[in-house]
Amino acid sequence: EAQVTQNPRYLITVTGKKLTVTCSQNMNHEYMSWYRQDPGLGLRQIYYSMNVEVTDKGDVPEGYKVSRKEKRNFPLILESPSPNQTSLYFCASRPRTASYNEQFFGPGTRLTVL
Amino acid sequence: AQSVTQLDSQVPVFEEAPVELRCNYSSSVSVYLFWYVQYPNQGLQLLLKYLSGSTLVKGINGFEAEFNKSQTSFHLRKPSVHISDTAEYFCAVSERGGSEKLVFGKGTKLTVNP
Repeated sequence: EAQVTQNPRYLITVTGKKLTVTCSQNMNHEYMSWYRQDPGLGLRQIYYSMNVEVTDKGDVPEGYKVSRKEKRNFPLILESPSPNQTSLYFCASRPRTASYNEQFFGPGTRLTVL
Repeated sequence: AQSVTQLDSQVPVFEEAPVELRCNYSSSVSVYLFWYVQYPNQGLQLLLKYLSGSTLVKGINGFEAEFNKSQTSFHLRKPSVHISDTAEYFCAVSERGGSEKLVFGKGTKLTVNP
C-alpha cells in the first residue's frame, strides 16, 4: 500500500530533550515536506526537500532541523524542544514528475513539550 | 507570494442541508487550487483539485468546487451533507511553475448536526 508513515504518532517530552520524528514514504517520491498544524493557523510549512541532500526552509523553520540522506526518509529533528513547539506535525510527499503540487500526507505526530 | 483566506472558521449545519465553505486566494501568477479534508484524529486527504479546464470540479464524497478567476475564489459545496462529513476542511494554493510551496488556509470546521 502506497503511504507516508510517521513515528511516533504521539510524544510527550520535556523542554530541551532532543527528539526526532521519523517520516518514510514508499512511493519513490522526490519531494518531501514537514508541516505543523496549530488551531486557528492551519498548516504551515517547516522544511521541504526536493531530493536527496537537497533541503530548504519553509515558513517556520526556527528550532527545527531536517536531513535527507535517503530518498524515502525525511526525519524532523528538534535539538532543544520548547513548549511553543507543541503542535501536530505532518509529513508529506509528492513525485517530482507531478505537474502540480498535490501532496500525500502522513497520519500526523502529536507532540507535547512540557 | 500566494495566500489563502477561508472566510468561516466554523460552519454548523443540519444533516441533509446544503453547505458552502468559502475560500479566496491571492497570487500574482496562475495557480493550482486544492481542498483537503481532515477527519477527527486523522491526516489530510485530498478532496478535489483544480488544475485547468472546466471551472467546476467534482471531488470525492459528493463535494464540488467552482474556480472563479475574476473573484479569486474556490468555494466548496455539497448539496446535502451527512453526519459523516463532520471534519475540518482546508483550502490550499500552489503557484504554477513555482516553488514547492503549498499554502494552506486556516481551515473551516464543518459540524453536521442531526
